Amino acid sequence: EVQLAESGGGLVQPGGSLRLSCAASGFTFSSYWMHWVRQAPGKGLVWVSRIDNYGSSTVYADSVKGRFTISRDNAKNTLYLQMDSLRPEDTAVYYCARDPAIASHRTNFDYWGQGTLVTVSS
Amino acid sequence: SYVLTQPPSVSVAPGQTARSTCGGNNIGGETVHWYQQKPGQAPVLVVYDDSDRPSGIPERFSGSNSGNTATLTISRVEAGDEADYYCQVWDSSTNHVVFGGGTKLTVL
Repeated sequence: EVQLAESGGGLVQPGGSLRLSCAASGFTFSSYWMHWVRQAPGKGLVWVSRIDNYGSSTVYADSVKGRFTISRDNAKNTLYLQMDSLRPEDTAVYYCARDPAIASHRTNFDYWGQGTLVTVSS
Repeated sequence: SYVLTQPPSVSVAPGQTARSTCGGNNIGGETVHWYQQKPGQAPVLVVYDDSDRPSGIPERFSGSNSGNTATLTISRVEAGDEADYYCQVWDSSTNHVVFGGGTKLTVL
């Protein structure tokens, strides 16, 4: 059974840092692109970042570029999101999601974690 | 960047057909995916590649995509279908993923 489990969320002050983790199991983690998607309270889904299966290619939403870093450890079956210079508008539930597509134009998310809440507030 | 437009809400009586639209410039040339999200839960993929269903998703869920509008159709709507529905594409001009704003389906 495919499982994704996020951790690392919590309360952080503006300007602070946080590292999220997503532990994957039930599939060959190293074969899949992975993404982070966030959802502010009461709002819609917003894509954050993508990493290829090797960890060599990354893409970021404009709102987080230069502040967030996505990475992965295929030996540990774990995806990460390092979040620096956090702002109140980064407050959201952060989901990791698996991308089963073999081509970018078909990118979609067939499995999601349950999410971890990040609150940026003083 | 590419923009996807969804109506904020759709209402339908049980047993009827619900249609949720997703508008975008020549979206028919893009590959559209749809997600269902119930309160307090993670999203679930219900339609991918415009019209395919993942295993475990009822046949009542179907998708189409042409021109400037993609549509998620839910036939014989049940109370358990009440949820937010999001469309999603990949924007080739920015290499980013784009979601629509979501449509809240209310079952009357």
